Amino acid sequence: AQSVTQLGSHVSVSEGALVLLRCNYSSSVPPYLFWYVQYPNQGLQLLLKYTSAATLVKGINGFEAEFKKSETSFHLTKPSAHMSDAAEYFCAVSDPGGSQGNLIFGKGTKLSVKP
Amino acid sequence: DVKVTQSSRYLVKRTGEKVFLECVQDMDHENMFWYRQDPGLGLRLIYFSYDVKMKEKGDIPEGYSVSREKKERFSLILESASTNQTSMYLCASSFGGRAPGELFFGEGSRLTVL
Repeated sequence: AQSVTQLGSHVSVSEGALVLLRCNYSSSVPPYLFWYVQYPNQGLQLLLKYTSAATLVKGINGFEAEFKKSETSFHLTKPSAHMSDAAEYFCAVSDPGGSQGNLIFGKGTKLSVKP
Repeated sequence: DVKVTQSSRYLVKRTGEKVFLECVQDMDHENMFWYRQDPGLGLRLIYFSYDVKMKEKGDIPEGYSVSREKKERFSLILESASTNQTSMYLCASSFGGRAPGELFFGEGSRLTVL
């Protein structure tokens, strides 16, 4: 079965520092990969998605992610953190053998940004 | 913009009560989903529907049922609420087809069962 692992349930960075949130997936076929962000008391919104085109994917709010097939990874980065980036981030992968259109979500990484 | 609206943001119910969570989307999406979100567990799929009157069980369907009588509306039902169903419930929708597209989420319904 497809699975997603997000390393680190909490990540803390200083404002202006690099943000790196890690995501690894298990798949024997090239998957579709997504990063979502959830601000407090809100639903999830899409940051970016990989659908087998360019391996470096640019998203909203200055975030980007790189698909590395050899490492089965899809880490999320942002060069310079802003206070408004404080939120919970979820990596998700398509579920080829399961429910149509469903995504398998990681357990989330909560990002804190210190002034 | 796509809008997924969940009727109740916060609910408090008693054990044994029947609970209805309503979700409406306005983009003519074929697929609709109900997830449960708990700290440290991420999102877990309860049920989903890919067409009117169609439903499929997700990973944790026990204690829940769903109804989809109209394309835009997908309801989650807790027949007899229990304290272990205290959670955040998220509704999502997407276009149909096998290729997974973006899921659009509602703002969530936080249910407390006393």
